[in-house]
Amino acid sequence: EAGVTQSPTHLIKTRGQQATLRCSPISGHTSVYWYQQALGLGLQFLLWYDEGEERNRGNFPPRFSGRQFPNYSSELNVNALELEDSALYLCATLHTNVLTFGAGSRLTVL
Amino acid sequence: KNQVEQSPQSLIILEGKNCTLQCNYTVSPFSNLRWYKQDTGRGPVSLTIMTFSENTKSNGRYTATLDADTKQSSLHITASQLSDSASYICVVSRDNYGQNFVFGPGTRLSVLP
Repeated sequence: EAGVTQSPTHLIKTRGQQATLRCSPISGHTSVYWYQQALGLGLQFLLWYDEGEERNRGNFPPRFSGRQFPNYSSELNVNALELEDSALYLCATLHTNVLTFGAGSRLTVL
Repeated sequence: KNQVEQSPQSLIILEGKNCTLQCNYTVSPFSNLRWYKQDTGRGPVSLTIMTFSENTKSNGRYTATLDADTKQSSLHITASQLSDSASYICVVSRDNYGQNFVFGPGTRLSVLP
């Protein structure tokens, strides 16, 4: 079965712009988690979607948002980009207690 | 505060040698502890998952230990290979929901020929 897929692989934006990242979970998995991995830091929980609903969000400002579609794929939107938003954004699904990650989207804000 | 600390921050070893990575945590409540391997530019891949009652678990050349009393874990890599070069992340789960996983900063391992 295909794993968790993310796009784009890399994205370069300038301050103030908006970024949209996409994630497709493993077939049949309904939960999608988004994490931010800034350089040198541990992964930080961003958002959790399940069955099309936002279930929880981490300690991030409202300009981080997203949604989950009927096919369980998900989008992460980051508005009004700031330099410190530069990071690897990881999407994951949790199934039978195993958290499976995608390869990530590297966002660089200039 | 719920925290996971890892040491060393980085490590360089020669191919074929063994090494041990450390993880200390202050996370509460505790559900399980996981080790992940993250290749550069890739997502983390699960190596082991241990519950409170397990004190050792192996996955090939990787062996994880857990001392729940002292809140310490280690990951031992035997007969290292060049492909072991990666970051190793210790993760402590407070429950089985992904928003309550606390991630360590990782140990960067470089295996040289």
